[in-house]
Amino acid sequence: AQSVSQHNHHVILSEAASLELGCNYSYGGTVNLFWYVQYPGQHLQLLLKYFSGDPLVKGIKGFEAEFIKSKFSFNLRKPSVQWSDTAEYFCAVNAWRTGANNLFFGTGTRLTVIP
Amino acid sequence: GAGVSQTPSNKVTEKGKYVELRCDPISGHTALYWYRQSLGQGPEFLIYFQGTGAADDSGLPNDRFFAVRPEGSVSTLKIQRTERGDSAVYLCASSQLGAVTDTQYFGPGTRLTVL
Repeated sequence: AQSVSQHNHHVILSEAASLELGCNYSYGGTVNLFWYVQYPGQHLQLLLKYFSGDPLVKGIKGFEAEFIKSKFSFNLRKPSVQWSDTAEYFCAVNAWRTGANNLFFGTGTRLTVIP
Repeated sequence: GAGVSQTPSNKVTEKGKYVELRCDPISGHTALYWYRQSLGQGPEFLIYFQGTGAADDSGLPNDRFFAVRPEGSVSTLKIQRTERGDSAVYLCASSQLGAVTDTQYFGPGTRLTVL
């Protein structure tokens, strides 16, 4: 079965600091990878996604993620965070099997950015 | 509509009661998903509809949970004989075609509290 691990439960950064949130998944086959964000009081929104091709994916608001197949990882990065990036971040994966495109989510990482 | 909508936003019920949660997907989206998010966890897949039919209901925890989508648009998640452990935020998502590469767009969720 697929599973997703996010090792950082709560990250606190000052504005302009660099961000890296870890995500590891367990599945040996072809996967699609996603990062979703949930701002306070809002619903889940897609930040970026990887299906194939260039393993470095750029998303909205200056976020990027790198797929490293050998490490089963899809870490999220941002060079300089802003106070408005305070949110909960979820990594998710779906696996290519017939009729199954539901997402498996990690437990989330809460990011607090201090002005 | 502009996005996925869910009603009610909050539902408080007593143990043993029956509840219905409604989801209105993005107009024209053929795929609809239900997830459940417990406190401190990521969303957990429940069921996926392609059109009117449930293509994958492997995430439903037991036979107290049932969902329908009779006309291929609005969906209702039904929970019988509710238990305190059913308390969670129930999320609905839709995607255009249900392809593994499609983005799933999430609604704001229904917070269910079982007393």
